[in-house]
Amino acid sequence: SQKIEQNSEALNIQEGKTATLTCNYTNYSPAYLQWYRQDPGRGPVFLLLIRENEKEKRKERLKVTFDTTLKQSLFHITASQPADSATYLCAGNTGKLIFGQGTTLQVKP
Amino acid sequence: DGGITQSPKYLFRKEGQNVTLSCEQNLNHDAMYWYRQDPGQGLRLIYYSQIVNDFQKGDIAEGYSVSREKKESFPLTVTSAQKNPTAFYLCASKGLAADEQFFGPGTRLTVL
Repeated sequence: SQKIEQNSEALNIQEGKTATLTCNYTNYSPAYLQWYRQDPGRGPVFLLLIRENEKEKRKERLKVTFDTTLKQSLFHITASQPADSATYLCAGNTGKLIFGQGTTLQVKP
Repeated sequence: DGGITQSPKYLFRKEGQNVTLSCEQNLNHDAMYWYRQDPGQGLRLIYYSQIVNDFQKGDIAEGYSVSREKKESFPLTVTSAQKNPTAFYLCASKGLAADEQFFGPGTRLTVL
């Protein structure tokens, strides 16, 4: 079945470092991948979308890559801050969105 | 303020009772979605609607029902047939020309 998989283990990093989160997809080829941020007890908020013909996309301190050979997207937050602590969800389209389980990022001061 | 609202934020019900979760949007979006989120799992699609008076089952529609009588509103009913209804429910909407979804704040349903 079509799947989006993210590392379910929490990622703990020090403030100022770059956080890198991984999203892998299996059994299909999404035309695009989306990344959302979700804070505890709240709805996800859209961050970035990257299409299959785009290698990389940036928005302020965020960078997303899309590698169709590895079937993977990487999500980077540079110069991370404690306010970046949240769960980050990856989603791929198949006509509808399939979401990964999310990776929780904890940035320590 | 444009946005998508869900009510109530917390809902408690006894086992065997039907319950309806509200979702309203004033973004003029055509498409609306209902997802369920359980701890450690991704969002799973329950139902979606791309136009008024039409809706389709998602991946886990059993035990749920919806209606789409108005563009702004997409209520979800959790019936007594849903075996494990305790979860966090999220409503989302999307414009037809866009790809990203806008989510509401969610309703946490607890069945006692």
